[in-house]
Amino acid sequence: SQQGEEDPQALSIQEGENATMNCSYKTSINNLQWYRQNSGRGLVHLILIRSNEREKHSGRLRVTLDTSKKSSSLLITASRAADTASYFCATDVDQGAQKLVFGQGTRLTINP
Amino acid sequence: ETGVTQSPTHLIKTRGQQVTLRCSSQSGHNTVSWYQQALGQGPQFIFQYYREEENGRGNFPPRFSGLQFPNYSSELNVNALELDDSALYLCASSLTGTDTQYFGPGTRLTVL
Repeated sequence: SQQGEEDPQALSIQEGENATMNCSYKTSINNLQWYRQNSGRGLVHLILIRSNEREKHSGRLRVTLDTSKKSSSLLITASRAADTASYFCATDVDQGAQKLVFGQGTRLTINP
Repeated sequence: ETGVTQSPTHLIKTRGQQVTLRCSSQSGHNTVSWYQQALGQGPQFIFQYYREEENGRGNFPPRFSGLQFPNYSSELNVNALELDDSALYLCASSLTGTDTQYFGPGTRLTVL
């Protein structure tokens, strides 16, 4: 079963715009991770945020975590055509357990 | 490239058959996890192996089984294939106690 939901299911924006994706989850977590998947292939790890963190940055990525609302958001700034992919959030309930529970993903399309 | 490889890339089987999928972990990683990703869905955790022993299992029936070898490569075996087993199967390697997993490119299994 899926841990939570991602919103929106699909997002289409123009190159250069910012893209925001949201993720909600159901249970207490140790950390939340975001992954990218191109064309149904392997997952690429983007960023990890721990339950005691509220915001994290990595290059053009900004992730927030609100444990009181059991939600997270991923912001991609200054989007590029190469950012076109599916984005998944995944939660891990125990530190180092590595038994990830994924959402259903957001399909992001960047139009040139 | 994550250093995790999977074989074969694609596979077609018929209902009732058995299949073995293989994964070669990133060098130095002692934990491997397997995930099933149905079309349009997020990955679902099947099971995890650490030091050649199963270390946690998701909501999958016993006909899904696995092995981990001393060199940390791994196999996923599925018996009595059903149509709903058609999916992308992903393996992920990691170092126990850490939080980041590295995914292989996946094996696309089609059951006819």
